[in-house]
Amino acid sequence: ETGVTQSPTHLIKTRGQQVTLRCSSQSGHNTVSWYQQALGQGPQFIFQYYREEENGRGNFPPRFSGLQFPNYSSELNVNALELDDSALYLCASSLEVRLEDEQYFGPGTRLTVT
Amino acid sequence: GIQVEQSPPDLILQEGANSTLRCNFSDSVNNLQWFHQNPWGQLINLFYIPSGTKQNGRLSATTVATERYSLLYISSSQTTDSGVYFCAVINTNAGKSTFGDGTTLTVKP
Repeated sequence: ETGVTQSPTHLIKTRGQQVTLRCSSQSGHNTVSWYQQALGQGPQFIFQYYREEENGRGNFPPRFSGLQFPNYSSELNVNALELDDSALYLCASSLEVRLEDEQYFGPGTRLTVT
Repeated sequence: GIQVEQSPPDLILQEGANSTLRCNFSDSVNNLQWFHQNPWGQLINLFYIPSGTKQNGRLSATTVATERYSLLYISSSQTTDSGVYFCAVINTNAGKSTFGDGTTLTVKP
């Protein structure tokens, strides 16, 4: 158990729709990162939030956006869903803003876009 | 950006055998973690090891930061060790973390 939870576990959406995925970090962890993992690949970094502000971003378009709340919860929002967005979405929490801090991952949300 | 290569991509062992997984990276890093991903997708922390050697039971890891590689050793493998092993590195100058494509380990009884 990492103390990081995600919801929902599975989700099916239609191309063009919007989706919101949720993550609850370990208590006391001020940093949350989101990753996309396509089948057979390693996780790809989407972005990181520290104390409710975006603190780093990978090569993902602006239709991927996030929010972090003071109660250690966060959201990943994806607009205008595309078939290639089908993947496992993982969030990870770490203690502080330094990217090199140890990350603890949630169980993931499996998104299918049809 | 930084490149991370893991080898071998696939490994099949008999229960009780030992194995070494390798992670090469193309630039200096501030953080390196090894994870085991179970069949349900959960990433389990194995080691946080930007440099040096650590051991935890049958598993140990060594990172030689100056030569840009890390090794994960699994001794006396068990069927429950099966799954995908990832290394992930962070270079704070790059502003993001990078995972390798993983090594898929299958341990047969």
